[in-house]
Amino acid sequence: AQSVTQLDSQVPVFEEAPVELRCNYSSSVSVYLFWYVQYPNQGLQLLLKYLSGSTLVKGINGFEAEFNKSQTSFHLRKPSVHISDTAEYFCAVSVQAGTALIFGKGTTLSVSS
Amino acid sequence: DVKVTQSSRYLVKRTGEKVFLECVQDMDHENMFWYRQDPGLGLRLIYFSYDVKMKEKGDIPEGYSVSREKKERFSLILESASTNQTSMYLCASRPRGRGRADTQYFGPGTRLTVL
Repeated sequence: AQSVTQLDSQVPVFEEAPVELRCNYSSSVSVYLFWYVQYPNQGLQLLLKYLSGSTLVKGINGFEAEFNKSQTSFHLRKPSVHISDTAEYFCAVSVQAGTALIFGKGTTLSVSS
Repeated sequence: DVKVTQSSRYLVKRTGEKVFLECVQDMDHENMFWYRQDPGLGLRLIYFSYDVKMKEKGDIPEGYSVSREKKERFSLILESASTNQTSMYLCASRPRGRGRADTQYFGPGTRLTVL
């Protein structure tokens, strides 16, 4: 069965520091990969997605992610975070058999000054 | 602009009550989904619908049912609410066109408390 593992449940960082949120997936078939962000008291919005082609994907708000097929990973990075990036981040995979996304358990990013 | 709306942001109900959570999308999407979100568990799929009157069970359908009578509306029903159904409920929609590659669009969520 397909699954998504977000390796860190909480990531505290200082403003302007770089950050990496880690995501690994398991699947025996090809997948599409997504990162969503959820700001406090809001629904989820798409940050970026990998469908095919270049393994480095750029998203909104300065985030990027790299698809690594051999490592089955899709880590999210930002070179310099802001206070406003404080939110919960979800990695998700879309697999062949179903139509719904499978989500990881989420990583809470806390940015302080 | 894409829009998914949910009927309530916050809801408080009593154990045993029948609860309706409504979701409406204005994007003419074929696929609609209901998830529940709990701390440390992420999002878990309850039910989804790929067309009017069509539904499929997700990972945790027990204690829930759904209704899709019109394309734009997808309702989640708790037949007899229990305290373990206290949670955040998120609705999402997605077009059929490109299949699994397409983005799912989410509503703002309904935080349900069952007392």
